[in-house]
Amino acid sequence: DTGVSQDPRHKITKRGQNVTFRCDPISEHNRLYWYRQTLGQGPEFLTYFQNEAQLEKSRLLSDRFSAERPKGSFSTLEIQRTEQGDSAMYLCASSSSGKPSYNEQFFGPGTRLTVL
Amino acid sequence: QKEVEQNSGPLSVPEGAIASLNCTYSDRGSQSFFWYRQYSGKSPELIMFIYSNGDKEDGRFTAQLNKASQYVSLLIRDSQPSDSATYLCAVRSSNTGKLIFGQGTTLQVKP
Repeated sequence: DTGVSQDPRHKITKRGQNVTFRCDPISEHNRLYWYRQTLGQGPEFLTYFQNEAQLEKSRLLSDRFSAERPKGSFSTLEIQRTEQGDSAMYLCASSSSGKPSYNEQFFGPGTRLTVL
Repeated sequence: QKEVEQNSGPLSVPEGAIASLNCTYSDRGSQSFFWYRQYSGKSPELIMFIYSNGDKEDGRFTAQLNKASQYVSLLIRDSQPSDSATYLCAVRSSNTGKLIFGQGTTLQVKP
């Protein structure tokens, strides 16, 4: 199965520490997205890339969050100086921008972050 | 007003019945619409998408779109206990790749 993969699946950290998550998209997909989901809510958009270019970033995203996709393949999401409010499931999704496509996005298993 | 609204439920239906899940959205420029299923503790799984007015059927699932009313729905025929999950409606607006999600509707199918 060559679906979206994410690593780690779980991360527990102390407040103030930095954490980094990795996402590997479906191999033929050129778009990659990061979302965050808290209990009882739908996923909330954070940022997305087309190839290596970061095309959009949520206005709600703190400067403590940064994402990269240096070679247009895998992506990393870093959170600096974590806060308890950062505790959530971090979801990565990928899609193709080629035709025909309606931008169907396929999600990875997610990384569950707990900040103590 | 939220951009995408769903009734959080729970919606409870007996096994074999039709479950009807509804979603409204505020952006008239929205181009495509998606339904995801999410089991507890798991990530969302795409089950259907629709982009033009009318109905789209896939097995036991039918998605319905009415752009004039800014309304999307998902019908699940012959509901099974394994359909018990949270169903997320997501909308993509023009000129962006991001999806805006509703909070999801929890469906319970009782044997």
